[in-house]
Amino acid sequence: QVQLVQSGAEVKKPGASVKVSCKASGYTFTSYDINWVRQATGQGLEWMGWMNPNSGNTGYAQKFQGRVTMTRNTSISTAYMELSSLRSEDTAVYYCARGGYCSSTSCYSRYFDYWGQGTLVTVSS
Amino acid sequence: DIQMTQSPSSLSASVGDRVTITCRASQGISNYLAWYQQKPGKVPKLLIYAASTLQSGVPSRFSGSGSGTDFTLTISSLQPEDVATYYCQKYNSAPHTFGPGTKVDIK
Repeated sequence: QVQLVQSGAEVKKPGASVKVSCKASGYTFTSYDINWVRQATGQGLEWMGWMNPNSGNTGYAQKFQGRVTMTRNTSISTAYMELSSLRSEDTAVYYCARGGYCSSTSCYSRYFDYWGQGTLVTVSS
Repeated sequence: DIQMTQSPSSLSASVGDRVTITCRASQGISNYLAWYQQKPGKVPKLLIYAASTLQSGVPSRFSGSGSGTDFTLTISSLQPEDVATYYCQKYNSAPHTFGPGTKVDIK
């Protein structure tokens, strides 16, 4: 069965960086893109960006450009999301989600059918 | 970027009621629209994709319709387990923006 398992909760100080992992199983990791979505407490879902696990190509929401980096290690079917220059407003649950079908060079947009369990990132001095 | 709006932001209905939630895109997105259900403290769950296709395992009381800019999610007979926040999402192209959500509870 398809599973996305994320790393555990993190507590960071303002200005630091955080790197969250998302390990995929039950399907071919390179066949679908991985998206990252965050949710602050009591707030809605905010899409952060996507990554083609095949090529490593990425696309980020404008709000996070310059602060977010999405990478992967195909040998262990794991995607990573690193957010830098953390501030208190980045306190949220971060989710990875499986999206569209990918070739070696491009992905086709699709809904998110499987989600990780979420990782709480707390930014506090 | 295309903006997504939802109405109402919250609603309260009785068990057995028919519930309708509206989602609007600021530009046409054909039928590249998904609906998700998020129960309190839980991970979002895909309900409907391609505006009207029910994801496997989702009860048939849920249905979706629409194309272009205007979409609806309908719960034909509200059940206690349907208490949740419902989000629409565009996925025709990045950014895959979500609507602000509609919170549904039982009267």
